[in-house]
Amino acid sequence: DQQVKQNSPSLSVQEGRISILNCDYTNSMFDYFLWYKKYPAEGPTFLISISSIKDKNEDGRFTVFLNKSAKHLSLHIVPSQPGDSAVYFCAARPSGSARQLTFGSGTQLTVLP
Amino acid sequence: GAGVSQTPSNKVTEKGKYVELRCDPISGHTALYWYRQSLGQGPEFLIYFQGTGAADDSGLPNDRFFAVRPEGSVSTLKIQRTERGDSAVYLCASSPRLAGGQGTQYFGPGTRLTVL
Repeated sequence: DQQVKQNSPSLSVQEGRISILNCDYTNSMFDYFLWYKKYPAEGPTFLISISSIKDKNEDGRFTVFLNKSAKHLSLHIVPSQPGDSAVYFCAARPSGSARQLTFGSGTQLTVLP
Repeated sequence: GAGVSQTPSNKVTEKGKYVELRCDPISGHTALYWYRQSLGQGPEFLIYFQGTGAADDSGLPNDRFFAVRPEGSVSTLKIQRTERGDSAVYLCASSPRLAGGQGTQYFGPGTRLTVL
């Protein structure tokens, strides 16, 4: 049973346009959500996070939106750049003492020049 | 500053052999995590250390897998009697301890294990 789902395995966007990556979760115990970016042969790199008490967090070109009632979050990248091409993973963490992350299967973003 | 390092970067072994994978966390980080990533999937949690003790090993798939962190810094993931299904990238992450709980997890580059 996948608790964190990224239903789009790939996304292509033109440079300068907006990239929107989506993520759905099923476990209502998740209270902290993160996005990681991964280049080939490297480990995941932390990008941005959001607590369940917020519905939006912004950091430069990256904004994460959280809709708790729909159990849905999204990552917006504006404007998209060719260097943003990577696999993006959504991850979630439950409240309480357990701190392991549950990851989605990732979305390959390709930004076309 | 140095990030999380993992050695070896690649390991090829034969079915039935024993392997050890090493992780050096970021200095000062008290929490250390092991994950496994299979092709086309996201990382899956294996085990979490807070200091020297395994705080949560619920993700270890079976008793062939074992991990230690004897001095609260470097950790070793040990796999006995390897099987072809163990082939994956093994990722290590560390995080600082914050007043409100654990901080962001920072990942190493991973060890790609191939069992022939």
